Amino acid sequence: EVQLVESGGGAVQPGGSLRLSCVASGFPFSSHWMHWVRQVPGKGPVWVSRVNGDGSSTNYADSVKGRFAISRDNIKNTLYLQMNSLRAEDTAVYYCARDLTGGSGHHFVFWGQGTLVTVSS
Amino acid sequence: QTVVTQEPSLTVSPGGTVILTCASSTGAVTRGYYPNWFQQKPGQAPRALIYSTDNRHSWTPARFSGSLLGGKAALTLSGVQPEDEAEYFCLLSSAGDQLVFGGGTRLTVL
Repeated sequence: EVQLVESGGGAVQPGGSLRLSCVASGFPFSSHWMHWVRQVPGKGPVWVSRVNGDGSSTNYADSVKGRFAISRDNIKNTLYLQMNSLRAEDTAVYYCARDLTGGSGHHFVFWGQGTLVTVSS
Repeated sequence: QTVVTQEPSLTVSPGGTVILTCASSTGAVTRGYYPNWFQQKPGQAPRALIYSTDNRHSWTPARFSGSLLGGKAALTLSGVQPEDEAEYFCLLSSAGDQLVFGGGTRLTVL
């Protein structure tokens, strides 16, 4: 069974930093593109970032480019999102999601349950 | 910045058929946009329904089907069930390296 468990969310002041983690199990982690998606309660999801299986290719939404960094540890089966220079508009539930087996970074098949990030003074 | 547009809300009777659409501000949606569809119920994470335009996941009921219709991606629900009442989001891969969700369609089964 595919499982994705996010952690690391919490409250932080504007300008601060957080690192989110997503521990994956139930599938060959290093073979899959992985994504971070965020969602403000009551609003639609917003794609944040993606990384390929070996971590050599990454992409970011324009709204987080230069502030967030996605990475992965294929030994620990863990996906990360380092978030710096946080703003109030970054407040959301952050989900990690797994791409299709054999996919190329265009699909979200399995989702975690999310971790809440609140940026406020 | 690509904008993806969906109907804000639709209402359908149980057993009926409804079509949800997904349009791109950059022009006609094609298979190259890898359209995905998701269902989300209150308090839950989104659940994947359709990928790459018209492919169901193993858990997706056959009453859900994806297609391209009039330059848009479309999700057709046939024989709607009460449990299909939910928010539905589409996702498109825009030119370059961005993935963009639509604003969602709130489907009411009444």
